[in-house]
Amino acid sequence: TQLLEQSPQFLSIQEGENLTVYCNSSSVFSSLQWYRQEPGEGPVLLVTVVTGGEVKKLKRLTFQFGDARKDSSLHITAAQPGDTGLYLCAGAGTSGTYKYIFGTGTRLKVLA
Amino acid sequence: NAGVTQTPKFRVLKTGQSMTLLCAQDMNHEYMYWYRQDPGMGLRLIHYSVGEGTTAKGEVPDGYNVSRLKKQNFLLGLESAAPSQTSVYFCASKRSVEYEQYFGPGTRLTVT
Repeated sequence: TQLLEQSPQFLSIQEGENLTVYCNSSSVFSSLQWYRQEPGEGPVLLVTVVTGGEVKKLKRLTFQFGDARKDSSLHITAAQPGDTGLYLCAGAGTSGTYKYIFGTGTRLKVLA
Repeated sequence: NAGVTQTPKFRVLKTGQSMTLLCAQDMNHEYMYWYRQDPGMGLRLIHYSVGEGTTAKGEVPDGYNVSRLKKQNFLLGLESAAPSQTSVYFCASKRSVEYEQYFGPGTRLTVT
């Protein structure tokens, strides 16, 4: 059974601070996605990484896929209150991109 | 273009009652998914479908059944609800050749 562990589970920081969220597994994934979820809504895709070692940037967010495609990180620079939410990673198995395993989630709160 | 819609938004059931959750998408997506989200556990895949008339089991299928008679609809049934099925249920859909899943707003189900 493939598992994705996220850390930390909870994070409360001041506006302007930097943070990193980790997503780790012992399994290899063909691709990995990061989603953000607001209260009362479904998750919304932020990014998909496909190649081992790949780095993608989305404004102040930097995503990296591990060289072995078993882990990923999300780094936020100068966090803002609008970044508050639940961050989820999701990995697609090597048999195809139609089925995803979700991580346990990191709940981020950015204080003004 | 409504995207992914879910009916109902909220429901309270007594143990042993049955119900059906409806998911509809207007994006002509091939793949559809049902997930449940519980605190501290991210999203767990219940059942999924890679096309009209086809369904498959996910990580936690016990106690649930699904049907996909029309491409745009994916139904999730609970034949005899149990308190352990208290959760928030999300439906998602995606194109076969793309990575992004589009999520509905969720259904909050409480079984007493």
